[in-house]
Amino acid sequence: DARVTQTPRHKVTEMGQEVTMRCQPILGHNTVFWYRQTMMQGLELLAYFRNRAPLDDSGMPKDRFSAEMPDATLATLKIQPSEPRDSAVYFCASGLALTSGHTDTQYFGPGTRLTVL
Amino acid sequence: DQQVKQNSPSLSVQEGRISILNCDYTNSMFDYFLWYKKYPAEGPTFLISISSIKDKNEDGRFTVFLNKSAKHLSLHIVPSQPGDSAVYFCAANKGGKLIFGQGTELSVKP
Repeated sequence: DARVTQTPRHKVTEMGQEVTMRCQPILGHNTVFWYRQTMMQGLELLAYFRNRAPLDDSGMPKDRFSAEMPDATLATLKIQPSEPRDSAVYFCASGLALTSGHTDTQYFGPGTRLTVL
Repeated sequence: DQQVKQNSPSLSVQEGRISILNCDYTNSMFDYFLWYKKYPAEGPTFLISISSIKDKNEDGRFTVFLNKSAKHLSLHIVPSQPGDSAVYFCAANKGGKLIFGQGTELSVKP
């Protein structure tokens, strides 16, 4: 039963601390997405990677957020320093990019619920 | 600039009746559309999609309709079941990226 996994599931931290969220995409998927869900904005795309290369991170606050894929089985999203307004659920999703450039169905992980006090 | 909008934050339907969830979009360059379903404490799961060259796609109790001239799509669930109670997101694809609506919380009452 292939699925996207995310750790940690919950994180409570204090303002100013560094937060790292991890995602393991489905084996064989070559596209990874990071989303943030808030009450105000709904589901918003922060960044995405294809074949481990960042394709678009225009949705991400550059001064404090960074996203990487150290290898094909791990994607990370880091916030440094964290702020209370970063409190949200962060989802990772993976998919398979087709030769047309179109990405097949995205499969979401269970999310990391972040609370910054 | 909200390119994909779900104007109804919630919908309540009686079991056995039809549920109709609506979604509007502004960008005519979107090439396909999807519906995702989300239960509490879980990630969204894919439900059904439709290419922009079609106007209808059906999968069991779920049918998605696309009206390109109105830039509107809808998801019909018939008959609705209590297990369908969840938040439904519509999404539009552009260049491999999905842009999501705000979601509509569907409650199906027995």
